[in-house]
Amino acid sequence: DIQMTQSPSSLSASVGDRVTITCRASQSISTYLNWYQQKPGQAPKLLIYRTSSLQSGVPSRFSGSGSGTDFTLTMSNLQPGDFATYYCQQTYSIPPTFGGGTKVEIK
Amino acid sequence: EVQLVESGGGLVQPGGSLRLSCSASGFTFSNYAMHWVRQAPGRGLEYVSSISSNGGTTYYADSVKDKFTISRDNSKHTLYLQMSSLRAEDTALYYCVKGTYDFWSPYYDYWGQGTLVTVSS
Repeated sequence: DIQMTQSPSSLSASVGDRVTITCRASQSISTYLNWYQQKPGQAPKLLIYRTSSLQSGVPSRFSGSGSGTDFTLTMSNLQPGDFATYYCQQTYSIPPTFGGGTKVEIK
Repeated sequence: EVQLVESGGGLVQPGGSLRLSCSASGFTFSNYAMHWVRQAPGRGLEYVSSISSNGGTTYYADSVKDKFTISRDNSKHTLYLQMSSLRAEDTALYYCVKGTYDFWSPYYDYWGQGTLVTVSS
């Protein structure tokens, strides 16, 4: 199975900050990398698919980049509703695997 | 509007069985692969199982292979997960997830709210 490693596991940030989360795959996954946002008590929500494509309705201050084994999710101008846990997921090979999550908290 | 509503969760003793259901609406159910993903309390997301749009192809995580069976009834727009030989480590919130193509899903675009399975004596 492909292992997905996210860093950091948690971070504190302020409203208006720019935040970057990293996801590393144990082997190349081309661009088959997705990002999900999960708020407490809610189901995960798709943010970005295939590395950099924004899901419908997701604000443009979210962006994704990368290829191969290294990927990033960047959130600019952090808003109160962005404080949540973020997961990356690879779908390059079966089984699809998730990163351990990054919790973004308010400083 | 896409809706996925899971049911069937509950408290079950170790070694017991349970069948989860997911009722789908708002899209052509028979056109899409479907998936189950679980989340243990306070933990991250774990892939469980997938089924192709016609039910002909299934995949399982190693952790549930030979214990869980995924199936679907396209006439009822319903996805199922039959779980047996349950252990404490199967305790989790089980999410029903819509796929994005008929056979495999490069991403998961809609998730249900989940149904909680607790395995305990």
